[in-house]
Amino acid sequence: AQSVTQLGSHVSVSEGALVLLRCNYSSSVPPYLFWYVQYPNQGLQLLLKYTSAATLVKGINGFEAEFKKSETSFHLTKPSAHMSDAAEYFCAVSDLSAAGNKLTFGGGTRVLVKP
Amino acid sequence: NAGVTQTPKFRILKIGQSMTLQCTQDMNHNYMYWYRQDPGMGLKLIYYSVGAGITDKGEVPNGYNVSRSTTEDFPLRLELAAPSQTSVYFCASSDPTDTQYFGPGTRLTVL
Repeated sequence: AQSVTQLGSHVSVSEGALVLLRCNYSSSVPPYLFWYVQYPNQGLQLLLKYTSAATLVKGINGFEAEFKKSETSFHLTKPSAHMSDAAEYFCAVSDLSAAGNKLTFGGGTRVLVKP
Repeated sequence: NAGVTQTPKFRILKIGQSMTLQCTQDMNHNYMYWYRQDPGMGLKLIYYSVGAGITDKGEVPNGYNVSRSTTEDFPLRLELAAPSQTSVYFCASSDPTDTQYFGPGTRLTVL
């Protein structure tokens, strides 16, 4: 069974500082990996995804993530935080070995941006 | 193109009542999903469907039922609501690249 671990349920950063959100996964087959963002009282929207092409993936709003197979990690970064980045972020892995394109989600990391 | 729509946005139920959460997508996706989101717990898969007429259980199916009579619609039925079903429910559909698109959610409270 697949699993996703997000280190830190809450992260506080200052505006303009680096945002780093950690994600580690376990999977028996090469995975597809995703980062989603959820703003208050909204559904999830896709930030970026890794599908076995380039290991450094660029997404929307200046975010990027690097797939590191040796570390089974897919950490999300943004060089300079903006107030609008305050949201909850979810890492997810796709179970390519099973029917249904199902995703397994991490517990989420809530980002607070301080002015 | 509305994407994935869900109704209602909010609902309060009494213990033992039943209700149906509606979900519709206009992207012609074969795959659809129902999740529940509890605080600090991420999303848990309730049921999913790989096409009209085909549904299967996810991680937490107890207390729920689904049907998929059309490609567009994937309603979730709660029978005999319990306080443990208080949660936010999200419907999603998936394109062929595994990307899932989510609806805005239904916030359900069972008292």
